[in-house]
Amino acid sequence: GAVVSQHPSWVICKSGTSVKIECRSLDFQATTMFWYRQFPKQSLMLMATSNEGSKATYEQGVEKDKFLINHASLTLSTLTVTSAHPEDSSFYICSARDVGPRRADTQYFGPGTRLTVL
Amino acid sequence: AQSVTQPDIHITVSEGASLELRCNYSYGATPYLFWYVQSPGQGLQLLLKYFSGDTLVQGIKGFEAEFKRSQSSFNLRKPSVHWSDAAEYFCAVGATGGGNKLTFGTGTQLKVEL
Repeated sequence: GAVVSQHPSWVICKSGTSVKIECRSLDFQATTMFWYRQFPKQSLMLMATSNEGSKATYEQGVEKDKFLINHASLTLSTLTVTSAHPEDSSFYICSARDVGPRRADTQYFGPGTRLTVL
Repeated sequence: AQSVTQPDIHITVSEGASLELRCNYSYGATPYLFWYVQSPGQGLQLLLKYFSGDTLVQGIKGFEAEFKRSQSSFNLRKPSVHWSDAAEYFCAVGATGGGNKLTFGTGTQLKVEL
C-alpha cells in the first residue's frame, strides 16, 4: 500500500518546449501533494504544495508561471514546466499525503522524473 | 523555523558492522520525525517515523531510531549492515505531521564495503 507513481520517469526536451509530469497516488486518496526538486547530490527542495481543487502554494523563489501545478482529482497532480530551459534540468519528485488512520499523516514519495532540457 | 542537521556527509562501514547515522533537529514544539532512504535515481522510501509515544521506533529493513528530546536528536541505527543498504539517507522534520511541509537534512551517503 501507499504507492505513488510518476510519469514519465525521464524526459528529454528541447529548450522552449513545455513538459508535463504526472503524480498519482495509486491506492489512497491524497488531498495534498507536494512537488520537490533535487539537484545532483543535494537534498530535496520543496517547490510547492498542491491541494485538490484549489490553487497550489508556492515556496519563495519558485516561479508559479513557470511551474504550473494542477491537482484536479484526489489521486492526480500534474507539474508542467513551461518554456523549459537547460537550467530547469533536474530531478523532480512528488509526494502524496495520506491522512488515513493507518498511515497517520505521512508523505509517500514517487520514484522521481529526470528532466533534461537541451 | 524548523531545521535538520545531518553532520555526516559520507559514511563508510563494512558489511556486518553496526551503523549509526546522526540527525539533529531544531523545532519549537514536539517534532514529527522521519527517516527516508534514496537509491540512485530513485524516489524516497520511508524507513520509519516518530510522532509520539515510545521513543525507540522500529522501521523496515531492520532499522530503528531513537528520539532524544534532551539532545534534539533522532539517530538512525542498524545492528548489522548489508551491502544493499548502500544509499542516501535523509532525516526530515515535519511541523504537524508529515502532511505539512517537511524540512529535510542534507543527507548522508552510506557506502558499504564488502
